Amino acid sequence: GIQVEQSPPDLILQEGANSTLRCNFSDSVNNLQWFHQNPWGQLINLFYIPSGTKQNGRLSATTVATERYSLLYISSSQTTDSGVYFCAVVGSWGKLQFGAGTQVVVTP
Amino acid sequence: DADVTQTPRNRITKTGKRIMLECSQTKGHDRMYWYRQDPGLGLQLIYYSFDVKDINKGEISDGYSVSRQAQAKFSLSLESAIPNQTALYFCATSDGVGAADTQYFGPGTRLTVL
Repeated sequence: GIQVEQSPPDLILQEGANSTLRCNFSDSVNNLQWFHQNPWGQLINLFYIPSGTKQNGRLSATTVATERYSLLYISSSQTTDSGVYFCAVVGSWGKLQFGAGTQVVVTP
Repeated sequence: DADVTQTPRNRITKTGKRIMLECSQTKGHDRMYWYRQDPGLGLQLIYYSFDVKDINKGEISDGYSVSRQAQAKFSLSLESAIPNQTALYFCATSDGVGAADTQYFGPGTRLTVL
C-alpha cells in the first residue's frame, strides 16, 4: 500500500515562532488531508488539499502532487497549537492512510 | 452538540470480556469508520461502512466486529478482549462526495484491557 512519511517526528517551538511540517507519500493521490490531534486526543480536520495552497488563519498548507509531498506551515505559533499533526492520504484501496504524525510542543 | 459522539469515553475491562463501543452521528453522512490509535502512532482502519447494508473490513479487523444499526449508528465490538487491544478508538463519518471525502472524527474512546 501507499507509504506516508512525516517529518520531523518531534518539534519544540517557542511561542511566536514559525515552523514547517512535511508529508511525503509514495504514490499518486487524489485526496490528502491534514489533521490536528490536541493534547486531549480530539482530532480536528485542518485541510483537504490534494494540490495547491490553502490558508486558514495562521495555518497554511501546500501540496505538490507531482512531487508527492505536502507542507503544513504554522506561523506565529501559540501554545494552543501543541499536539500531533497528521497527514492522511487515500491509498490504493480507497481509504485514508495516516502517517505517524509530528508531535509539536509550543512553549510560552 | 457534537456531530459525532462516542460512548463510553473511557473503559477499563479484563481479558476475555466482550466490549461494545458505540458511535452516533447527526451529520447525515452515509459513510462511517472505526479506527484505532496506538500510543505514538497514526490511525489504523478497523472497519468501514458506506451505508447500512455495506460493511467492509479494514487493515486490522481481526478480533473485532461491527454493526450498522441505522444510518446514524455504528457499533464496534471486541468479542473477547485482549491486552494488545488497549488503544484509543475513534469513530469517523464522511459524506463520500467525490474525492473531497473529508472525515469528521468523534472524541475517541480510551480502552484499557487488563
